Amino acid sequence: GIQVEQSPPDLILQEGANSTLRCNFSDSVNNLQWFHQNPWGQLINLFYIPSGTKQNGRLSATTVATERYSLLYISSSQTTDSGVYFCAVERDYQLIWGAGTKLIIKP
Amino acid sequence: DGGITQSPKYLFRKEGQNVTLSCEQNLNHDAMYWYRQDPGQGLRLIYYSQIVNDFQKGDIAEGYSVSREKKESFPLTVTSAQKNPTAFYLCASSIRGAGEAFFGQGTRLTVV
Repeated sequence: GIQVEQSPPDLILQEGANSTLRCNFSDSVNNLQWFHQNPWGQLINLFYIPSGTKQNGRLSATTVATERYSLLYISSSQTTDSGVYFCAVERDYQLIWGAGTKLIIKP
Repeated sequence: DGGITQSPKYLFRKEGQNVTLSCEQNLNHDAMYWYRQDPGQGLRLIYYSQIVNDFQKGDIAEGYSVSREKKESFPLTVTSAQKNPTAFYLCASSIRGAGEAFFGQGTRLTVV
């Protein structure tokens, strides 16, 4: 089956720093989503991005489907950005999840 | 407001009991999903349903059961056959099979 790998597994940054999270997948997919899981467990949709680039405030994402990767950029990090970031790819009507990147933003 | 509602937020189960977790959505989505998350881990698919009265097993269906009698509702029963049920359970829905998925706030189940 498809493998989804996220890197880095852990990231600790100071408030105000920028970061790039990566998601690699091993086969062609129909779609890709990025989620943020906050410390209370809530999963928040960030981007639904099968290809191309999208931006939402300080966050942006780029998916290069032909090369089987996606990047999530966080600029000017805030403490509220802390949590776990997951990417999930769609294949055969199911979402296949990466293991996540745990991000800690220090004040 | 449109969304997905899971209840209860916290649930305690005694050994040997069955418990049912509720998931309701008013987004008019066809597909619904149940995931399990253990501490520090990613999400694992338990069951999913593409349409009413139909559902399929995911990767870890043993010890769980579901029903899909209404489009809006997809309850999950954790049976006594599930040997290690303590976990965080998340319900999701999408407008079609694995379109953009939206999640409820989750239920934390603890065996006491």
